[in-house]
Amino acid sequence: DVQMTQSPSAMSTSVGDRVTITCRASQVIFNALAWFQQKPGKVPKRLINGASSLQEYVPSRFSGSGSGTEFTLTISSLQPEDFGSYFCLQYNVYPYTFGQGTKLEI
Amino acid sequence: EVQLVESGGGLVQPGGSLRLSCAASGFTMSWYWMTWVRQAPGKGLEWVANINQDGRERNYGDSVKGRFIISRDNAKIYLHMSSLRAEDTAVYYCARAGIWDSDDWGHGTLVTVSS
Repeated sequence: DVQMTQSPSAMSTSVGDRVTITCRASQVIFNALAWFQQKPGKVPKRLINGASSLQEYVPSRFSGSGSGTEFTLTISSLQPEDFGSYFCLQYNVYPYTFGQGTKLEI
Repeated sequence: EVQLVESGGGLVQPGGSLRLSCAASGFTMSWYWMTWVRQAPGKGLEWVANINQDGRERNYGDSVKGRFIISRDNAKIYLHMSSLRAEDTAVYYCARAGIWDSDDWGHGTLVTVSS
């Protein structure tokens, strides 16, 4: 199975900060990586797939990059509504696997 | 409007069985792969299983393989869960397609495995 190692597990942040979250895959997954945001008590929301393709409703301060085994999600200027947890998902190989998550505290 | 509604969750004893259902509206379910994802209380997301349009291709996460079966009919998808363990306690979500290619999730149904 592909193990997804996500870091950091938690971050204390401030409005306006530039935030970078990393996911590392245990084997090459090409660009088959998605990022999700989840707020407490809510359903996960897809932000990015194909490692860097932003969904149309997602603010442009979010971006994704990477290919192969190293991937990053960047929030260029953190906004109050960005608090919550973020998860990566590899979908190159079954079983699909999520990273452990990153909790952003603002 | 796409809607996915899970049902069938509840309290079950360790070793027991439960069947979850997911009903869809607003789209033609038979055209899509469908997926189950779960989330233990306070924990991260775990991909559980998916099933293709005709039900012939099914894939499972390692922690549920051999114990859970995903199935579908024209109206719903199902997750047949057996030999349940405490660590299966989670909110179970159904989602349209592969989740990486869709934004449609249900609100989840809680399964609690406890004596």
